[in-house]
Amino acid sequence: AQRVTQPEKLLSVFKGAPVELKCNYSYSGSPELFWYVQYSRQRLQLLLRHISRESIKGFTADLNKGETSFHLKKPFAQEEDSAMYYCALPLMYSGGGADGLTFGKGTHLIIQP
Amino acid sequence: SAVISQKPSRDICQRGTSLTIQCQVDSQVTMMFWYRQQPGQSLTLIATANQGSEATYESGFVIDKFPISRPNLTFSTLTVSNMSPEDSSIYLCSFQAGVGNEQYFGPGTRLTVT
Repeated sequence: AQRVTQPEKLLSVFKGAPVELKCNYSYSGSPELFWYVQYSRQRLQLLLRHISRESIKGFTADLNKGETSFHLKKPFAQEEDSAMYYCALPLMYSGGGADGLTFGKGTHLIIQP
Repeated sequence: SAVISQKPSRDICQRGTSLTIQCQVDSQVTMMFWYRQQPGQSLTLIATANQGSEATYESGFVIDKFPISRPNLTFSTLTVSNMSPEDSSIYLCSFQAGVGNEQYFGPGTRLTVT
């Protein structure tokens, strides 16, 4: 069963436009959730953790338990935001009993000049 | 924060051979993991590398195919055995740190099997 769903494989927006990358998860309680980013030719890196309620590089993500969503948003996109974005959920929240993370399929964000 | 490295960064191997990937963290960590990222796909957890005990494998992955060692709290290896072209992937190691379950990833090993 798909535990983390990212419905958009590709999202293209113009510089300065708002960005929203969608993530939905399968869990009835209050899970931990993460957004990871992979810039071209760089390693996968942690962008945001839900528990911290932080804003990194202008990105925020709010957990909506009613909609089981954790969408990533930025009000004004910049060209350097172009990257692959992955939403991730610890496996312990999906009944697996294991450690480790389960990832969505990823969204390729392209910011056009 | 801890630095995590992998080697080799890439390799091209012939089918039927085996490759061992090394993962090194510059400080002691309790939890280390191995993931696979097949071409155009997301990351899939292979196993949790447990220090001092056998690795814990996810469904679809077996020890005979992906033996893992974890001799201490800073190092782990993953071997891809009896390789076939279907094993062509990026293999990533990670460690868990911080207050939650967040993980930090190595640069990956890009494996091509011909």
